[in-house]
Amino acid sequence: EVQLVQSGAEVKKPGESLKISCKGSGYSFINYWIAWVRRMPGKGLEWMGIIYVGDSGTRYGPSFQGQVTISVDKSISTAYLHWSSLKASDSAMYYCARWGGGNYYFDYWGQGTQVTVSS
Amino acid sequence: QTVVTQEPSFSVSPGGTVTLTCGLSSGSVSISYYPSWYQQTPGQAPRTLIFSTNTRSSGVPDRFSGSILGNKAALTITGAQADDESDYYCMLYMGSGISVFGGGTKLTVL
Repeated sequence: EVQLVQSGAEVKKPGESLKISCKGSGYSFINYWIAWVRRMPGKGLEWMGIIYVGDSGTRYGPSFQGQVTISVDKSISTAYLHWSSLKASDSAMYYCARWGGGNYYFDYWGQGTQVTVSS
Repeated sequence: QTVVTQEPSFSVSPGGTVTLTCGLSSGSVSISYYPSWYQQTPGQAPRTLIFSTNTRSSGVPDRFSGSILGNKAALTITGAQADDESDYYCMLYMGSGISVFGGGTKLTVL
């Protein structure tokens, strides 16, 4: 069974760093892309960026380029989303999702990680 | 920057049929954008409904269907049920590994 299991909720202060994770299981992790999707309170889904596990190649949406870093550790089948300096506006629910190969869609989703940034 | 457009809200009567659309601020949506559709209810992760314009994801009932209508992608729900009340998002593949979500449609069943 394919599963993406995300790390737990985080409460941080502005300016702090944070890395949240997404662990894949039940499939060949190295052969797929993993994306991150944001949902801010009262807003819609936003495509943040994506990484190909095989070669760690990344793509970022224009609004997220330079704001976050997506990485992966193939040895433990885990993808990461990292902020070096959080802002209050980063408070949101974050989902990881598996890119379903040549059909250009997300076929599996993580359960979500709530990030709250508040002083 | 191209914006993916969706109706902000829609309502449908139980048992009725509703078609939600997904367009572009500039240009037409075609199968080359590989439209996909996702359903999200409060407190839940998104659920994949449709991919590659009209292919239902595993376990999705056949009352959900996808198509291209004119210059937009469309999601049609036939025989709407109370638990179809959700937010619906389309996503378009823009090329170069990048996709974009529409703003979402809040569907009310009443």
